[in-house]
Amino acid sequence: GESVGLHLPTLSVQEGDNSIINCAYSNSASDYFIWYKQESGKGPQFIIDIRSNMDKRQGQRVTVLLNKTVKHLSLQIAATQPGDSAVYFCAENQDGEGGYQKVTFGTGTKLQVIP
Amino acid sequence: DGGITQSPKYLFRKEGQNVTLSCEQNLNHDAMYWYRQDPGQGLRLIYYSQIVNDFQKGDIAEGYSVSREKKESFPLTVTSAQKNPTAFYLCASNFGGGNTEAFFGQGTRLTVV
Repeated sequence: GESVGLHLPTLSVQEGDNSIINCAYSNSASDYFIWYKQESGKGPQFIIDIRSNMDKRQGQRVTVLLNKTVKHLSLQIAATQPGDSAVYFCAENQDGEGGYQKVTFGTGTKLQVIP
Repeated sequence: DGGITQSPKYLFRKEGQNVTLSCEQNLNHDAMYWYRQDPGQGLRLIYYSQIVNDFQKGDIAEGYSVSREKKESFPLTVTSAQKNPTAFYLCASNFGGGNTEAFFGQGTRLTVV
């Protein structure tokens, strides 16, 4: 779960290298996970998603890995570019009140690409 | 173009005043959400709504109120009871029922002066 008062961890990566951003989720019953990218002063944007019946999904330059045993999610970005610099959040769909689902976010990681 | 719109982008409020943030979507989404983001931190859920005329408290609902009179609209009121209202507020929507991505507005930055 999210810790209030802690600042975002930062990952610094050289341009052209691969980036790996990690996330631990809280609810073993969550069945859908999403990675979002947030640039400064803007709302988060969808990158890639994965359902709990999968352990890997690939997109364009991005791969998400899901390990349900340890409740861990990772986002891999290949050949990182300066435009990838942003804050990355993982999110999970959880059961909320009244049987409705809610979207809950992890703490986030700031990715800093060094030219 | 379909999308989710928040207004205003910047908002200033005097201490002790209530203020309402607007969120409108034309994506035909059933579910809508409000999050608060403090500098250098993640998103915390304030309120969410899956259907018209119904909504649930999130993790930090105290000092906030919402309404969902129309499917397209989910306004958030920051009341004078909110002790530390200065933050970046984000509204999101999705089709609900789980397993669908949420689309976000561009946010409203609220500053209490």
